[in-house]
Amino acid sequence: DAGITQSPRYKITETGRQVTLMCHQTWSHSYMFWYRQDLGHGLRLIYYSAAADITDKGEVPDGYVVSRSKTENFPLTLESATRSQTSVYFCASGGQWESIQYFGAGTRLSVL
Amino acid sequence: GQQVMQIPQYQHVQEGEDFTTYCNSSTTLSNIQWYKQRPGGHPVFLIQLVKSGEVKKQKRLTFQFGEAKKNSSLHITATQTTDVGTYFCAGPSDNYGQNFVFGPGTRLSVLP
Repeated sequence: DAGITQSPRYKITETGRQVTLMCHQTWSHSYMFWYRQDLGHGLRLIYYSAAADITDKGEVPDGYVVSRSKTENFPLTLESATRSQTSVYFCASGGQWESIQYFGAGTRLSVL
Repeated sequence: GQQVMQIPQYQHVQEGEDFTTYCNSSTTLSNIQWYKQRPGGHPVFLIQLVKSGEVKKQKRLTFQFGEAKKNSSLHITATQTTDVGTYFCAGPSDNYGQNFVFGPGTRLSVLP
């Protein structure tokens, strides 16, 4: 009963490097989301996906790329990491007919 | 765009005292959700309110949705150390109801 899993849990990288954060859910939820959490800002939506091959920008999409070739996976890529992208990243999923979101354990990313 | 605000940002209470956090939206909401995040953890769904003036209880937690559906509150009676964490409210950001805008959260500390 894994539910929704994120990997890695912790990541340290350097400015300019490409980083991919993984998210996998076993519920066959239609919707998947990526948030970043920073002190004082709560949870801010980066990208979301309503179904496989359908993605859309959230509040803070700049510097991030997503894809969703399969329903269960929703990777988030930082094409060229910057220090301002140091944050905790949460992936979430939700069913088509309910709006409850189920969050993964998060990835703590540090960009040096 | 839609904004969701919460007050207070932080609250320190003695164990056994009551606690209330308030959530205000810049727009009328079709529903509102509350999530709890324990320190070092991930947000976990608590409840969803849909009707104007709705009040729901979960043991010592009482949730209320305002008559105008622009505000909400969470009240905890006789706090316990297990109540420690950050409480977020979230409102739909679009008509589809699957994307939510999260408030910045209220961080609750309970002193034993």
